[in-house]
Amino acid sequence: AQSVTQPDIHITVSEGASLELRCNYSYGATPYLFWYVQSPGQGLQLLLKYFSGDTLVQGIKGFEAEFKRSQSSFNLRKPSVHWSDAAEYFCAVYSGAGSYQLTFGKGTKLSVIP
Amino acid sequence: GAGVSQSPSNKVTEKGKDVELRCDPISGHTALYWYRQSLGQGLEFLIYFQGNSAPDKSGLPSDRFSAERTGGSVSTLTIQRTQQEDSAVYLCASSFSWELFFGEGSRLTVL
Repeated sequence: AQSVTQPDIHITVSEGASLELRCNYSYGATPYLFWYVQSPGQGLQLLLKYFSGDTLVQGIKGFEAEFKRSQSSFNLRKPSVHWSDAAEYFCAVYSGAGSYQLTFGKGTKLSVIP
Repeated sequence: GAGVSQSPSNKVTEKGKDVELRCDPISGHTALYWYRQSLGQGLEFLIYFQGNSAPDKSGLPSDRFSAERTGGSVSTLTIQRTQQEDSAVYLCASSFSWELFFGEGSRLTVL
């Protein structure tokens, strides 16, 4: 079965600093990959997705992610973090092959220091 | 409304009672998912409905959990004989493609 690992439980960055959140997946073929964000007291919102093609994908709120097949990774990045980016971030994967389960990582909580 | 609606937003119950959680998906979305979110555990898949196909129940943790979707729209998740370990936020999502749209969840507390 597919699995998703987010190694960092909690990350703290200063406002204006760059950000990278790590995500590794376990699946043989090319999966469909997603990043969702959950702001305090709100539902999950899709930031970006990767299906195929260009391995660098752009999302909302200035986020981007890069798919690296050789490392089974799909890391999320933002060049300059804003205080409003403080939230919990979840990486997720569909394995395809007829499965419609979207498997989520355990999340990375981002704190931003003003 | 335009989004996924879940009710109740908060539910406190006593151990051993049955609870029902409701999800009203976005109109036209054929797929509906239930997830459970516990502190520090991420999102745990429970069940998936797609149109008139048989649901994927592979994530239901025990036979105390069941779900139905009537008329391809509203879904109800039922937990029988609740246990304290059932305390969590239950999230519903709907989809018409690969993107899931989530509701704000139902927070269940079992005393």
